[in-house]
Amino acid sequence: AQKITQTQPGMFVQEKEAVTLDCTYDTSDPSYGLFWYKQPSSGEMIFLIYQGSYDQQNATEGRYSLNFQKARKSANLVISASQLGDSAMYFCAMLAFGGNTPLVFGKGTRLSVIA
Amino acid sequence: EAGVVQSPRYKIIEKKQPVAFWCNPISGHNTLYWYRQNLGQGPELLIRYENEEAVDDSQLPKDRFSAERLKGVDSTLKIQPAELGDSAVYLCASSLRDRAYGYTFGSGTRLTVV
Repeated sequence: AQKITQTQPGMFVQEKEAVTLDCTYDTSDPSYGLFWYKQPSSGEMIFLIYQGSYDQQNATEGRYSLNFQKARKSANLVISASQLGDSAMYFCAMLAFGGNTPLVFGKGTRLSVIA
Repeated sequence: EAGVVQSPRYKIIEKKQPVAFWCNPISGHNTLYWYRQNLGQGPELLIRYENEEAVDDSQLPKDRFSAERLKGVDSTLKIQPAELGDSAVYLCASSLRDRAYGYTFGSGTRLTVV
């Protein structure tokens, strides 16, 4: 079974600073994908970034980067130059490609950006 | 291209009443998912469709929940009768058959049962 663990219920960061949101995962499937989603108070799930288990490079998308450490089974999200609009819930999720399992989510981290 | 469309955005009902949610996925997406997100939690899968076939409904409380995806496009999720514990956000998502592209989510329906 797949499992995602996000140990930080809430985080605070000063505007313009960088912040790291932690995510560890567990799966026996060698082929999988890791995703980060942002969920503002309006409720929609917004896709941020994707990392495949066989990707050699860490994924980057604008101010978002994923610190992928395969041996540690961690996939931390780094947000650089935080903005007030980054305040939201952030969810780490995993999709195991070998089986027929759906996208599995962690419990999320609430990020608050302070001016 | 339009995203995943869900309606209604909000619904307040009294317990024991029925309620239905509607989802229109992205055109061409074969796979459709219904997730439930309780307050302060991550979403959890209720049911997954491949075209019009429900291929994973193991987490759907079948005594009160039902779903359908006629013609493999739009989908409806129904609760009858609703209970207080059903208060949650119901998210619909769709994906291509190649799931490496991930899922696209709708805005969700926030259900409050009073």
